[in-house]
Amino acid sequence: NAGVTQTPKFRILKIGQSMTLQCAQDMNHNYMYWYRQDPGMGLKLIYYSVGAGITDKGEVPNGYNVSRSTTEDFPLRLELAAPSQTSVYFCASSHRGSGSTYEQYFGPGTRLTVT
Amino acid sequence: GENVEQHPSTLSVQEGDSAVIKCTYSDSASNYFPWYKQELGKRPQLIIDIRSNVGEKKDQRIAVTLNKTAKHFSLHITETQPEDSAVYFCAASQGGASKIIFGSGTRLSIRP
Repeated sequence: NAGVTQTPKFRILKIGQSMTLQCAQDMNHNYMYWYRQDPGMGLKLIYYSVGAGITDKGEVPNGYNVSRSTTEDFPLRLELAAPSQTSVYFCASSHRGSGSTYEQYFGPGTRLTVT
Repeated sequence: GENVEQHPSTLSVQEGDSAVIKCTYSDSASNYFPWYKQELGKRPQLIIDIRSNVGEKKDQRIAVTLNKTAKHFSLHITETQPEDSAVYFCAASQGGASKIIFGSGTRLSIRP
């Protein structure tokens, strides 16, 4: 199992550009999440999904969009990038169901800089 | 919505001493409380969790306690070692139902 994978690892964007951060998991988890972590700060939930076709906003959704067309993939779209979106982005997944541990498995992160 | 507060933001302890990190939550419906450890430059990893039907849980040198009435929970690390140096995050969730909200983190340093 590769677990949770994210691409790219690093990216520099100019203000106003758009990009998609990719996230995939091969553990057949139903829940997936996107977090951002600003330098020296905690994890803020951007969006989450409880299954294919279902997404919901987290704490800081403005400026982002997500889709979940399959169980495995949960891409995060940034439209009109702004310097305030400079951060490390973590994708995570978990299995929520009877007898599950609820543990979130995190990807390695994508470091994004907007200049 | 849920709000999780974590204290202290930084903590330095002598190797071999104990460390305690405290969190409070606002939503009385929260019933799942995990703790994650993040080493420098790495991804967060679960170290221990507790559900609301349990008051305390231990795993070797780490333990978590939960006070549902006061809506606070704590992480206790005993006999600290250099490899315990990291940032620790608490979190709260309504378990199977929904999203998980993290505290702001505690940077723990172990002095030799």
